[in-house]
Amino acid sequence: DTGVSQDPRHKITKRGQNVTFRCDPISEHNRLYWYRQTLGQGPEFLTYFQNEAQLEKSRLLSDRFSAERPKGSFSTLEIQRTEQGDSAMYLCASSLKIPGQETQYFGPGTRLLVL
Amino acid sequence: DAKTTQPTSMDCAEGRAANLPCNHSTISGNEYVYWYRQIHSQGPQYIIHGLKNNETNEMASLIITEDRKSSTLILPHATLRDTAVYYCIVRVEGETSGSRLTFGEGTQLTVNP
Repeated sequence: DTGVSQDPRHKITKRGQNVTFRCDPISEHNRLYWYRQTLGQGPEFLTYFQNEAQLEKSRLLSDRFSAERPKGSFSTLEIQRTEQGDSAMYLCASSLKIPGQETQYFGPGTRLLVL
Repeated sequence: DAKTTQPTSMDCAEGRAANLPCNHSTISGNEYVYWYRQIHSQGPQYIIHGLKNNETNEMASLIITEDRKSSTLILPHATLRDTAVYYCIVRVEGETSGSRLTFGEGTQLTVNP
């Protein structure tokens, strides 16, 4: 399968712990996006990378959140000092920047539960 | 990005066509209409997109009105597996602003046997 993969699929942690999620995009996709989705809501944009450069961050991305995409391939999203409000599905998407044809393809998501 | 309005929920009988409307009256000339769907607990799945012309692929058809203020996603022969939340999204492709997708609440389509 050559789709977007995310790991882990589920994570349960205690408040105050740090967690890290990984996203492997579709090979050769140069853009990578992170979204967050809480129950009953549509996904909300967090940040995106073009190659290894992080070009935009949402206000939702507090200073406890950090994302990286070393070498422009896989990406990691770390949440430090987790809070119960961080409980959500974290979605990754990748795309190839082609004018008029930039379609984002999503991974299965990582569901985080903070106790 | 232009705001979209969709019905909260719709029902469809299995085997019949499902027609999902979307209003985007403030759409501008360089904004595309994208449709995604999300089956419970899965990541959103791309369906189709268009700018001005009607589009068709193996999953669905997209009909965009001439004034581009509304569109309809058509699933020609709905199956139970098409039960999902369907999102209509309008977006501009940017350079440094990226092409973030702004999801609304979508339409919960329920296909009944």
